Amino acid sequence: AQSVTQPDIHITVSEGASLELRCNYSYGATPYLFWYVQSPGQGLQLLLKYFSGDTLVQGIKGFEAEFKRSQSSFNLRKPSVHWSDAAEYFCAVGNQGGKLIFGQGTELSVKP
Amino acid sequence: DAGVIQSPRHEVTEMGQEVTLRCKPISGHDYLFWYRQTMMRGLELLIYFNNNVPIDDSGMPEDRFSAKMPNASFSTLKIQPSEPRDSAVYFCASRFRTGELFFGEGSRLTVL
Repeated sequence: AQSVTQPDIHITVSEGASLELRCNYSYGATPYLFWYVQSPGQGLQLLLKYFSGDTLVQGIKGFEAEFKRSQSSFNLRKPSVHWSDAAEYFCAVGNQGGKLIFGQGTELSVKP
Repeated sequence: DAGVIQSPRHEVTEMGQEVTLRCKPISGHDYLFWYRQTMMRGLELLIYFNNNVPIDDSGMPEDRFSAKMPNASFSTLKIQPSEPRDSAVYFCASRFRTGELFFGEGSRLTVL
């Protein structure tokens, strides 16, 4: 069965520090992988996606993620966090033409 | 182009009342999804449509919930009768073929 696990419910980092949010998935076929961000009271906005090809993908707002098939992971990274990055982050897995399954989300707090 | 449009943004109703949530997907998108978000259960897929046809409604909690998509530019999610445990944020999202999901801003439902 398809599933997505985000092990960290809440992470706090200092502004300017690096960030890594973890995502592990279970999927029977080649997955399509996504990271979304949600600010309070808002819908989800796509940060980046992986369909195929280069396993390191670049997204908006300076985020990147690396697909590691051997580890079934798709971790999100940012070299230097800004206060405006505080939000909830969701990893999702799906397939061509099908539904997306979302993880439980990781809430990011940024210390000044 | 306008994004996914949902209405109402907020709905407060009493237990037993009928609730209708509305969604206008992005023009040209052929998939439409309804998700529910709660603190306890995260983002749950309720149902999705392809070319106005329901493909998977296995996430619909019970018979009190129903969804329709009479044409490519409109969908409704109806709860009748509503119960306090239905209180949540309901998101509509659309996409074109294998592309990413675009989310609306959500409808926050409170059932008293």
